[in-house]
Amino acid sequence: DAKTTQPPSMDCAEGRAANLPCNHSTISGNEYVYWYRQIHSQGPQYIIHGLKNNETNEMASLIITEDRKSSTLILPHATLRDTAVYYCIVRVASGDKIIFGKGTRLHILP
Amino acid sequence: KAGVTQTPRYLIKTRGQQVTLSCSPISGHRSVSWYQQTPGQGLQFLFEYFSETQRNKGNFPGRFSGRQFSNSRSEMNVSTLELGDSALYLCASSADGRASTDTQYFGPGTRLTVL
Repeated sequence: DAKTTQPPSMDCAEGRAANLPCNHSTISGNEYVYWYRQIHSQGPQYIIHGLKNNETNEMASLIITEDRKSSTLILPHATLRDTAVYYCIVRVASGDKIIFGKGTRLHILP
Repeated sequence: KAGVTQTPRYLIKTRGQQVTLSCSPISGHRSVSWYQQTPGQGLQFLFEYFSETQRNKGNFPGRFSGRQFSNSRSEMNVSTLELGDSALYLCASSADGRASTDTQYFGPGTRLTVL
């Protein structure tokens, strides 16, 4: 079973920041938080990952709470092309199995 | 660098047949994982190969099998197809499969329809 909980859907106005929450209250010390997104019927696209520090790249920022039980993915200036299903995943440091949950369907409103 | 490629992109088969799907990982990547995506079950892990050896396996029946070649290319095979095998099959590659240093990159998928 997936170890993460995400809201099934969210709306965000175009140009605004999209903040996608994820709960992972049972995360272990050696598990990383990963975010992927999937645009309709395409393969999932890697966005960002982190262990305990906040991370930022050209796509997004990842904010992980100090107790690591939740995180937030931030898309700073959402565009219509960011409409997708966003998956929050926890992965162990060794091994390569990804357990996907149902994700959050993000709608960007023009 | 070229991304993960999967062939064919679309496939139609009938019940009872078998099918082989192919995945070419990103150059230099040695780990290849396979996933099945259906509307009802979402994305589910099938298996992972590293250096020609199956390293992880999901909860799928033995009709689903795979292999990896010395050049890291991978194939998955489904025998005795059932209607429920209709799905998007996704392949993902990573350098060595360790989350601390690694990221999985997904291909576009193969859409399999079983009639």
